[in-house]
Amino acid sequence: DQQVKQNSPSLSVQEGRISILNCDYTNSMFDYFLWYKKYPAEGPTFLISISSIKDKNEDGRFTVFLNKSAKHLSLHIVPSQPGDSAVYFCAASDPDKLIFGTGTRLQVFP
Amino acid sequence: NAGVTQTPKFRVLKTGQSMTLLCAQDMNHEYMYWYRQDPGMGLRLIHYSVGEGTTAKGEVPDGYNVSRLKKQNFLLGLESAAPSQTSVYFCASSYSVSDEQFFGPGTRLTVL
Repeated sequence: DQQVKQNSPSLSVQEGRISILNCDYTNSMFDYFLWYKKYPAEGPTFLISISSIKDKNEDGRFTVFLNKSAKHLSLHIVPSQPGDSAVYFCAASDPDKLIFGTGTRLQVFP
Repeated sequence: NAGVTQTPKFRVLKTGQSMTLLCAQDMNHEYMYWYRQDPGMGLRLIHYSVGEGTTAKGEVPDGYNVSRLKKQNFLLGLESAAPSQTSVYFCASSYSVSDEQFFGPGTRLTVL
């Protein structure tokens, strides 16, 4: 059973608008979450993280929100740019490893 | 710094053949991981290591073995390759479990 779920396989957004990528988890013991970005033919790269003691973390155009009661986190990208087109993975930190979601492919069009 | 490197980048095997994938990191990280990525499945953890000389099973360990004889290297072995092991394999490393993982560029393996 998947403990980290990204229910939207793909998302298409116009340049300049907001992109919202969602992630749900089932284990209430998870206390640290990360987002990774992956371009084709490359390894994933770290984007932003959030600890369960916070409900929001910002880094430039990227903001991650955490709703612990709903076991839900989301990544907001504002404004979206064509270079943001990639696959985005959310991950939860287990005691000594990460559990990844299945990813959401974001396409930003002009 | 080279970061995380993987050897080889591409490989084609026949069913039943064996091979070893090499991962090397120059960041003095304790933790190292092997993942496979398949369409619609995300990144699934095969095996990982929390330090030199240690290994542990991940989500999909069957058909794979690993060794971490040196801190900077993590080897993934396939003793008898099967078509189901056709995938893209990523190695990653991190200083601790709560730090970001740095990924290698991947190895694309095809088993015929």
